[in-house]
Amino acid sequence: GAGVSQSPRYKVAKRGQDVALRCDPISGHVSLFWYQQALGQGPEFLTYFQNEAQLDKSGLPSDRFFAERPEGSVSTLKIQRTQQEDSAVYLCASSLAWGGLAKNIQYFGAGTRLSVL
Amino acid sequence: SQQGEEDPQALSIQEGENATMNCSYKTSINNLQWYRQNSGRGLVHLILIRSNEREKHSGRLRVTLDTSKKSSSLLITASRAADTASYFCATANNAGNMLTFGGGTRLMVKP
Repeated sequence: GAGVSQSPRYKVAKRGQDVALRCDPISGHVSLFWYQQALGQGPEFLTYFQNEAQLDKSGLPSDRFFAERPEGSVSTLKIQRTQQEDSAVYLCASSLAWGGLAKNIQYFGAGTRLSVL
Repeated sequence: SQQGEEDPQALSIQEGENATMNCSYKTSINNLQWYRQNSGRGLVHLILIRSNEREKHSGRLRVTLDTSKKSSSLLITASRAADTASYFCATANNAGNMLTFGGGTRLMVKP
């Protein structure tokens, strides 16, 4: 597709429910990032993939958060046993892994707004 | 945690005026970028300035970088109502592939 696509756009979950958020990056983009954005704040890094390899997951807030990218394209962020503090917008971004400074520019999806009741 | 702070947190101006936003950061960087976010949307890349550059222009945007003070500014000249959005600075690590965002400046441009 033309840009990064995320689904669903909105998700309401009851506390304790598991959720799965999907990200389709730009075709050919090797790097994929997940961010969490609280209301009125900047995005905070969660995890980073290069192809199918998860190179950095230092931003995941707890072991309830899990991300995968098994074939190096589509990625899924899973949150188990959701809590109210997980309510946020989850943003996915992709970038080239080569091309000098071009690799530094990230292209963002519109995000998934998760509300945990 | 976020890399730095942006100042002001909110800015309201009239169409045609200039808008200046500042960003401070804490660690050494490879480059610094500015992104715009319209309400309910993802972030859009605006401009990138490398750590060895001091100033860069792109259309109505002017970015400065002072690595000795660990600060950057974004100037939008001749603002338009369509510039209303949140603006975030983001610093890239030494490898150049990981971004850390500031808290953002919410800009409102009144017609």
